[in-house]
Amino acid sequence: QSVLTQPPSVSAAPGQRVTISCSGSISNIGSNYVSWYQQFPGTAPKLLIYDSDKRPSGIPDRFSGSKSGTSATLGITGLQTGDEADYYCGTWDRSLSASFGGGTKLTVL
Amino acid sequence: EVQLVESGGGVVRPGGSLRLSCATSGFTFDDYGMNWVRQAPGKGLEWVSGINWNGGSIGYADSVKGRFTISRDNAKNSLYLQMNSLRAEDTAFYHCARAQSGGSYSRAIDFWGQGALVTVSS
Repeated sequence: QSVLTQPPSVSAAPGQRVTISCSGSISNIGSNYVSWYQQFPGTAPKLLIYDSDKRPSGIPDRFSGSKSGTSATLGITGLQTGDEADYYCGTWDRSLSASFGGGTKLTVL
Repeated sequence: EVQLVESGGGVVRPGGSLRLSCATSGFTFDDYGMNWVRQAPGKGLEWVSGINWNGGSIGYADSVKGRFTISRDNAKNSLYLQMNSLRAEDTAFYHCARAQSGGSYSRAIDFWGQGALVTVSS
C-alpha cells in the first residue's frame, strides 16, 4: 500500500490530453514539493517534473505539473504512442523520508 | 555524462548479508546527496535510504531501519548499501539515485542507475 495514491491506469487517444492524479496528506504533499517520473519497461525511471511544476532541460513542454493542497497532477498534452509508460509521483515528508505513488500505466489507444 | 553503475547484487539466503556499491562519474560526487530506491519485479518504487553530501545526514525507510546501512566514499565517488538480515520481501532491483543539486538527499531524483538485482531466497 503506497503512501501516495495514483490511479492504476489511464488511457487516451493520440493527440489528446491526459492527467494523472497523485493524492497524499498534509505531512507529505501538503508540506513539500512533488516530482514525477516516467519509466519504460526494463529501464530506469526518468525525472519529468520537479518542485511540483518545473521541467528539467530536455523535457518537452507537453508535460506539466501542478500541486494544490495535498494533491498533485501530471498533465500530458499531444499524446504520442511513445508516451506509453508507467508514471510515478514522489515527495518527501517532514521526517525526510521519501514516498512514491503506486504508479500509473498510461496507454495511448 | 552522468553515470551511476550498481554492482554487488545476487542471490542470498534469508538472514544473509549483501553489500551493494554504486560507482559514479560525470559529476562532482561530493556536491550531491544520494539515495537508494528499490523496485520489486513488476512493482512500484520504494525509497530505501538517503545520505547527504558529507554523510552528516542519513535517513532510512522503516522497512529497512536497523538492518541496512548507507555510506559513501567521496574520495572514490562511490555510494554503498550494506544489507543485513535480509528477508524475502527485500527482493528487488536496487537503484542508485542522485538527488538534485544542493547536497541534501531529500530532493527530486534527477539521475538513476539501471539497478542491481537482489534476490533473497532459500
